Amino acid sequence: QSAPTQPPSASGSPGQSVTISCTGTISDVGAYSYVSWYQQHPGKAPKLVIYEVNKRPSGVPDRFSGSKSGNTASLTVSGLQADDEADYYCNAYAGGNNWVFGGGTKLTVL
Amino acid sequence: QLQLQESGPGVVKPSETLSLTCTVSGGSSSSSRYYWGWIRQPPGKGLEWIGSISYSGTTYYKPSLQSRVTISVDTAKNQFSLKLSSVTAADTAVYYCARHSYYYDNSDNHYYFDYWGQGTLVTVSS
Repeated sequence: QSAPTQPPSASGSPGQSVTISCTGTISDVGAYSYVSWYQQHPGKAPKLVIYEVNKRPSGVPDRFSGSKSGNTASLTVSGLQADDEADYYCNAYAGGNNWVFGGGTKLTVL
Repeated sequence: QLQLQESGPGVVKPSETLSLTCTVSGGSSSSSRYYWGWIRQPPGKGLEWIGSISYSGTTYYKPSLQSRVTISVDTAKNQFSLKLSSVTAADTAVYYCARHSYYYDNSDNHYYFDYWGQGTLVTVSS
């Protein structure tokens, strides 16, 4: 089972929107709506920001949104703020009680 | 507020067994809605799911690690543990424990990792 593919980096200016993709296969991202996204600041634990493709946990700003089309899930961060600068990882259910993380994307706020 | 805390040796010798414990506080590890998982992150690299366990002891492991991994739970102590055998330098990583939401509700399954420990670095070195 290979990891979903994410771009190594993404960037945007404050106030802009950025979208990060997570491309899997028909066996993971494409098969189920169990895609979640995690934000990780340097030296910190990951934090859940999106689950089940497009649901936000309590306390996560509505500037974070998720979607999915075919084998690709996406995380969009709108109204970029300095604190959004972090690494972002997608996670997908791959069937058979197996979960896979994407390789991660470093988001830079210019 | 639920909190998770990893503990265990920071250095393990090659070929030996890595052992870590996660202590859960501010909530119970006995709910049927949750599993309890281990995820690791090698220095400068991405996250890797290792495995998860239910309060009743049902386990799921990453297929490529299954032969070396054992996860167990002690609900009386609100703890769950990871053992990884025959370690090599490639197992050097920050190891995180996390609550793995895993339940069936509203005609659908629900899977995500919603609470994480702070992580503990384990270095494999002689």
